[in-house]
Amino acid sequence: DADVTQTPRNRITKTGKRIMLECSQTKGHDRMYWYRQDPGLGLRLIYYSFDVKDINKGEISDGYSVSRQAQAKFSLSLESAIPNQTALYFCATPETGGGGELFFGEGSRLTVL
Amino acid sequence: AQKITQTQPGMFVQEKEAVTLDCTYDTSDQSYGLFWYKQPSSGEMIFLIYQGSYDEQNATEGRYSLNFQKARKSANLVISASQLGDSAMYFCAMREDLSGGSYIPTFGRGTSLIVHP
Repeated sequence: DADVTQTPRNRITKTGKRIMLECSQTKGHDRMYWYRQDPGLGLRLIYYSFDVKDINKGEISDGYSVSRQAQAKFSLSLESAIPNQTALYFCATPETGGGGELFFGEGSRLTVL
Repeated sequence: AQKITQTQPGMFVQEKEAVTLDCTYDTSDQSYGLFWYKQPSSGEMIFLIYQGSYDEQNATEGRYSLNFQKARKSANLVISASQLGDSAMYFCAMREDLSGGSYIPTFGRGTSLIVHP
């Protein structure tokens, strides 16, 4: 099983709909991140959490909210989706030793029509 | 201002040749780290190599090496003996250390590498 699992992997939705992207990790790590990837813009940080009671806004948090339901689960919500939120979304958790490289989920491709 | 700059949107290399992907960074911290990730067309993100700011030797992992020039704030990725499977997007990222041992990773915009047979 993957260390970081994202659901759904693909979702097409309509403008104005609420959508939730879920992330769970089996690494037992406290820290989790949500990123958004757009062509030519790289990965940009949406929200991050350093433990269950800690939630922080990243570079591009407007239009998004998150919930850290447990150490292993970190969900990203779009309360009212708009077309420019069409993107590839990644959840990640850093290794606790070494350099702290990120373990990524497989990504969730979201299309907002 | 961008903290990680990758100036090459696209690169081409002949199979079996070496290629260098550029990355410059901006930080005033003394403690930080630099990473390279690979993203093939399938979309997953694959960690390649890491260099800490206090590491005196350049990091190497198989065919990957990181040319770390601290004074120039550059952390270029060198891929030796390119293979067709190296065709992918490559992202440089920086770890900026916060208090308590936590950190926020920041990514560059990426470089698309195409390896020609």
